[in-house]
Amino acid sequence: GDSVTQMEGPVTLSEEAFLTINCTYTATGYPSLFWYVQYPGEGLQLLLKATKADDKGSNKGFEATYRKETTSFHLEKGSVQVSDSAVYFCALSDEGGYNFNKFYFGSGTKLNVKP
Amino acid sequence: EPEVTQTPSHQVTQMGQEVILRCVPISNHLYFYWYRQILGQKVEFLVSFYNNEISEKSEIFDDQFSVERPDGSNFTLKIRSTKLEDSAMYFCASQHRDRPQETQYFGPGTRLLVL
Repeated sequence: GDSVTQMEGPVTLSEEAFLTINCTYTATGYPSLFWYVQYPGEGLQLLLKATKADDKGSNKGFEATYRKETTSFHLEKGSVQVSDSAVYFCALSDEGGYNFNKFYFGSGTKLNVKP
Repeated sequence: EPEVTQTPSHQVTQMGQEVILRCVPISNHLYFYWYRQILGQKVEFLVSFYNNEISEKSEIFDDQFSVERPDGSNFTLKIRSTKLEDSAMYFCASQHRDRPQETQYFGPGTRLLVL
């Protein structure tokens, strides 16, 4: 079945450090891939998405490239800020079968950025 | 920007009591979802709803759960007789079209604690 695996947290970085949060997936069809972010006390907000292989999603300095060959969608940012401290969720939505409306989420990675 | 809203933000209830979690999806969206996240675990799909019917439900969504769109704006999740293991964060989401590329927009969640 479909699933998403992302790296365990928490991840603690200093301001301006480089960020990578790994995400790999298993899917039966042709998934679309998403990164959501949850700031303290708030809901899940879409950060970026990619809907086909080799697409790159980007937003607010974050990037992720849909790599079909490695079934990965790693999140990166060149220089993190304290305001990026949040929980990041990788998710997929699969076109295969009858379940394409359902999102599958990873377990979330908490990012702490220190000044 | 339109957003999904949920009430209450927190609810504490006694085991065996009924709870109703409320959501107001984005107004022109047609597809509605409930997810939950038990502390420290993945966000899990519960149910999807379209055209006043459940389109899919997970194994978690047993006879104790029901969903309803009682009017043109609200979307509710009812748990008839709560159990301790129902303690979780419950997220409502809505989607404009049922395509895997389409973003699901999430509310801020209701944190349910069953004592």
